[in-house]
Amino acid sequence: AQSVTQLGSHVSVSEGALVLLRCNYSSSVPPYLFWYVQYPNQGLQLLLKYTTGATLVKGINGFEAEFKKSETSFHLTKPSAHMSDAAEYFCAAPDLRDHGGSQGNLIFGKGTKLSVKP
Amino acid sequence: EAQVTQNPRYLITVTGKKLTVTCSQNMNHEYMSWYRQDPGLGLRQIYYSMNVEVTDKGDVPEGYKVSRKEKRNFPLILESPSPNQTSLYFCASSLSIRAYEQYFGPGTRLTVT
Repeated sequence: AQSVTQLGSHVSVSEGALVLLRCNYSSSVPPYLFWYVQYPNQGLQLLLKYTTGATLVKGINGFEAEFKKSETSFHLTKPSAHMSDAAEYFCAAPDLRDHGGSQGNLIFGKGTKLSVKP
Repeated sequence: EAQVTQNPRYLITVTGKKLTVTCSQNMNHEYMSWYRQDPGLGLRQIYYSMNVEVTDKGDVPEGYKVSRKEKRNFPLILESPSPNQTSLYFCASSLSIRAYEQYFGPGTRLTVT
């Protein structure tokens, strides 16, 4: 079964600094990978998604992620952090069962809380 | 505006008092799903529906019921809530079961005392 691991439950950066949030997936290469963002008291909002094709994916709010099959990684980056980026970020992949079936759900990492210091 | 709505956003109730959390989407999505989010456990799927009148259990279905009588609505029913169902609940929808790109509602924070 697929699993998704996010390294670092909390990341703190200064405003204007590079943001790097790490995500690794296990098992076979998933057909899709996602990053979602959750602002306080809000639902999850899709930041970006990877589908087969270009390995560098651009999303909203200046975020991008690179799919690296050799490293089984899908790290999220933003060149310059803004105060409004403070939120919790989740990496996710389709939950593909061993028998090949699916419940259509996503497997989420445990999340990384991003703090941005002035 | 394409969206998933949930009501209520916040609910405090007592053990055993039946409640319903409504979920509605306006994107004509076939697939809808309920998740609960708990600290340290992440998001876990409760129930899902591939289309009208087709529902199935997710990973943590005990204590919950759902129905899908119309394509746009997917209510979550707790017939006899217990304190271990205190959680943050999210409804989500996607084009189909294989689409995987899910659109989430704003969440319902439920406290059962």
